[in-house]
Amino acid sequence: QQQVKQSPQSLIVQKGGISIINCAYENTAFDYFPWYQQFPGKGPALLIAIRPDVSEKKEGRFTISFNKSAKQFSLHIMDSQPGDSATYFCAAGAKASGTYKYIFGTGTRLKVLA
Amino acid sequence: GAVVSQHPSRVICKSGTSVKIECRSLDFQATTMFWYRQFPKQSLMLMATSNEGSKATYEQGVEKDKFLINHASLTLSTLTVTSAHPEDSSFYICSASRQAQAGTEAFFGQGTRLTVV
Repeated sequence: QQQVKQSPQSLIVQKGGISIINCAYENTAFDYFPWYQQFPGKGPALLIAIRPDVSEKKEGRFTISFNKSAKQFSLHIMDSQPGDSATYFCAAGAKASGTYKYIFGTGTRLKVLA
Repeated sequence: GAVVSQHPSRVICKSGTSVKIECRSLDFQATTMFWYRQFPKQSLMLMATSNEGSKATYEQGVEKDKFLINHASLTLSTLTVTSAHPEDSSFYICSASRQAQAGTEAFFGQGTRLTVV
């Protein structure tokens, strides 16, 4: 119930295309859903996040779509660029035992071809 | 976004020695700090959660006597890997969280690549 399932494991997209990464969760206590971008040898960087009372959030080329009833959320990267090649993690946050914690998805390795 | 600084970025140590890793939130006071371990091509594994001034809470399977966490202030947490062995070699990442309008945001340090020889 504490898992966040992420797919696909890897993704190859042509430059200018749309990259779509999906995540699903079970625990309805999750109330915050961030996406992180991680380059090799670096820590994850917060990209964009959404709360469950919003169905979509857009920041530049990055959009989160959220489906509360299906317990699913996805990251869309429009006009994908080679510089977007990285590993992307979705996460879900909730308070547990008095502390706010995050559960991370397994990650998606995105490669954008030039 | 907020800045979390982690130091050192890389460290090589001999088996049996201890290594300290620092994590600082530079421009905000963190309500909570977290320590993760990441194996190659895998997700982040939460090791422990720490709040300033109180003992860290360790995840199941994480040895608290081996991975000592000190959270001295709202901007500084340290992880000490004691009596390190080659199997402790890994990428360690800290994160610090703060309250924002949208929710509780977590920001990560740059990570520390530990190699035990």
